[in-house]
Amino acid sequence: DTEVTQTPKHLVMGMTNKKSLKCEQHMGHRAMYWYKQKAKKPPELMFVYSYEKLSINESVPSRFSPECPNSSLLNLHLHALQPEDSALYLCASSQAVSGTNEQFFGPGTRLTVL
Amino acid sequence: LAKTTQPISMDSYEGQEVNITCSHNNIATNDYITWYQQFPSQGPRFIIQGYKTKVTNEVASLFIPADRKSSTLSLPRVSLSDTAVYYCLFGAGSYQLTFGKGTKLSVIP
Repeated sequence: DTEVTQTPKHLVMGMTNKKSLKCEQHMGHRAMYWYKQKAKKPPELMFVYSYEKLSINESVPSRFSPECPNSSLLNLHLHALQPEDSALYLCASSQAVSGTNEQFFGPGTRLTVL
Repeated sequence: LAKTTQPISMDSYEGQEVNITCSHNNIATNDYITWYQQFPSQGPRFIIQGYKTKVTNEVASLFIPADRKSSTLSLPRVSLSDTAVYYCLFGAGSYQLTFGKGTKLSVIP
């Protein structure tokens, strides 16, 4: 199984809502990532988990809160978002955090904040 | 931050070979060069990775000159399904997670 799954595929939320994005992989990878991608722009790294510990937080606002419950799951909790946070949120995994490791991406969650 | 420069867009007819070049002047000695492909509303997909000279797999070739300040992704005999955005990245060690602006390839029938 070389697949990264993400749920939901689409999410519409108001600025006062609390929601969560979910990501799952069963490849035994120990590194997992969250990216944000705006239309016609490249993906931007948000968070990196290595062995279920947060190793990189790219100065992301606190209204985004990542969680790694176990080695297969990665969540992104959303609270009090702004309309400019509307984007495609991508999850990825790799064997380890290394520039030589191929990253496997999920299909993303299309988030719209009203 | 690692920085790459690629053409913004390219057009090609079906069946032709396409070469996309990426400049990475500040590449470090232990950096690898990686290319990803992305279709609309999908996550990027790994294509190929190399360190020097030439690497070939079932879908592409990667040419890296001796100074390693650039690299060229070669797609043989493109089809309509190769229409996508192509990103080059480089890095090593901890991670290489900075995507450049990408090249939008349009394949014309």
